[in-house]
Amino acid sequence: AQTVTQSQPEMSVQEAETVTLSCTYDTSESNYYLFWYKQPPSRQMILVIRQEAYKQQNATENRFSVNFQKAAKSFSLKISDSQLGDTAMYFCAFRKTSYDKVIFGPGTSLSVIP
Amino acid sequence: GAGVSQSPSNKVTEKGKDVELRCDPISGHTALYWYRQSLGQGLEFLIYFQGNSAPDKSGLPSDRFSAERTGGSVSTLTIQRTQQEDSAVYLCASSPLRGTDTQYFGPGTRLTVL
Repeated sequence: AQTVTQSQPEMSVQEAETVTLSCTYDTSESNYYLFWYKQPPSRQMILVIRQEAYKQQNATENRFSVNFQKAAKSFSLKISDSQLGDTAMYFCAFRKTSYDKVIFGPGTSLSVIP
Repeated sequence: GAGVSQSPSNKVTEKGKDVELRCDPISGHTALYWYRQSLGQGLEFLIYFQGNSAPDKSGLPSDRFSAERTGGSVSTLTIQRTQQEDSAVYLCASSPLRGTDTQYFGPGTRLTVL
């Protein structure tokens, strides 16, 4: 079975600094899909960024980028120029195929400090 | 357009009672998911509906939990003979078919079992 691990339960970063959140996963598949979701205190889950495993280029969305290391089964999220609104729980997620369920990691609580 | 809606937003019940939680997905989305999120925890997968296929029930924690999806749209999660450990936020999400597609989450139902 696929598993997703986030080894950092809590992190903090100074406003305007850069922070990297770690995620590793376990799968025997060659193609799959990876996601980072954000859950602010409002509880509303929001997609931050997504990546298809067959694409070698790392996905980027404004201040958010990923470092996808397929061989190492690692999918870290980098947040640049951190803002107070980035304070949230961040969940890494994995999907094996288009027809499969999405598996979430345990989450990392990120606090941006003014 | 309208997002995923869930009702009720909050539910307080007594131990041993049955509860029904409702999810209205985004129109046209073929996939629907239920997750459970205990206080300060990650998302625990419960059940997944994909089109007309048999649902993936592998995450349901006991036979007290069941879910239906009528007409490929609205879904109801039923918990029978509720226990205090069932207290959590129950999140519903829907998405189109493709693997990279975003899951759109509802605001959740907070269930409290006294």
